[in-house]
This record gives sequence, structure tokens and C-alpha cells, in this order.
Amino acid sequence: AQTVTQSQPEMSVQEAETVTLSCTYDTSESDYYLFWYKQPPSRQMILVIRQEAYKQQNATENRFSVNFQKAAKSFSLKISDSQLGDAAMYFCAYRSFSTDKLIFGTGTRLQVFP
Amino acid sequence: EAGVAQSPRYKIIEKRQSVAFWCNPISGHATLYWYQQILGQGPKLLIQFQNNGVVDDSQLPKDRFSAERLKGVDSTLKIQPAKLEDSAVYLCASSLALGPTEAFFGQGTRLTVV
Repeated sequence: AQTVTQSQPEMSVQEAETVTLSCTYDTSESDYYLFWYKQPPSRQMILVIRQEAYKQQNATENRFSVNFQKAAKSFSLKISDSQLGDAAMYFCAYRSFSTDKLIFGTGTRLQVFP
Repeated sequence: EAGVAQSPRYKIIEKRQSVAFWCNPISGHATLYWYQQILGQGPKLLIQFQNNGVVDDSQLPKDRFSAERLKGVDSTLKIQPAKLEDSAVYLCASSLALGPTEAFFGQGTRLTVV
């Protein structure tokens, strides 16, 4: 069975600085998808970034980028130029290529200080 | 396009009562997920549908929880009888079948069992 682990319950960063959130996962599949979702206090889950396992190039979306290390089963999220609006819970998620099963880690609460 | 609709937004019931949650996914999305999110934790997958068939319900407490997806569109999740530990946010999500497409989430139903 697949698992997703986020070892940082809380992180904090100052506005305009850079922060990295960690995620590791375990799977026996060779093809899969990885996601980072943001959940603000409103509870609405919002996709931040996605990565296909068969792509070696790390995904980037504006200020958000990932460091995908397939052999190490690591998928970290880097937020550059942090903004107050980035404060939220961040969840790492794994989606099976074969079954579509989508599972989440325990989350990291990100605080952004002015 | 319209998002994932869930109702009700909030529900308070006494233990041993029954409750039902409703989800209307995005039109054309074959995959539908129900998650339980206890405060401060990550979403836990309860059940996954592909059209109107169950793909995964390994973590659904089947002695008290049930779910169905009528005609492969709307879905209901029921708890009967409820326990105090069922207090949580219940999230519904949908996605196109297979591929790296993201899952879209509803705003969730916050259940309080007293």
C-alpha cells in the first residue's frame, strides 16, 4: 500500500523569503502522480502544483517549484518570495496511475510573518 | 465550470443518530472520492467510485458508514449510528478518470457529534 509522510507539522517563514516543505512517499508502482494542495481556513482544497513521475524535469508554477527525487521517493515544495496569502495547510498527495487512488499526507501548517 | 457541490455545510447531531451528506461532482468526472478529515489531520480516503462502481472502500467503517453513487453522478455518504469520533469534516472530490488531472474538492461538511 502507498503511504505519504510529511515530517514537518509546522513551518514559518518571513514575507519575501523562501521556504521548503518536505514530503516522502512509499510505493511499489513505477508510474504515479504527485501533488501539493493548499488548504486555507475556508477548507477549500486548492491545487498548487503537480508532477508526473515519468517526467525528470521538476515542475514549476510561478513562485512554486518542486524537487522531485524519484529514487529517494522525495517530493519537496519550494515557495519563493513568500506572501501573507501563502499561509495555510499544505498537503502532499500521491495518485496511483493504475487505480486513481488519491492519498494525502498529514500536512504542514505554514505561517508567514510580515 | 461549476465546482463540486456539497451539502449541508454544517451538521450537528447527537450520538447514535444518523446523518447523510450529499455531493454533486463536476459534470463528466468519472472518479469521485469521499474523505474524512479530523481537525489537524490530513484527509483520509473513505471510498472511491469510478462511475457508479466502488474502486476502493478499504478504510470505510462498513458497520456504520455506507455510500452510493447513483447513476454515476451524485453521491451520498451516510453514517448510522454516529459516534463521537465521527466528528470531522467530510470532503468530496471528483476528477476525470486516469491521467495527471487534479482532483477538485468541494467545501466539505463539518459534522459535530455531541
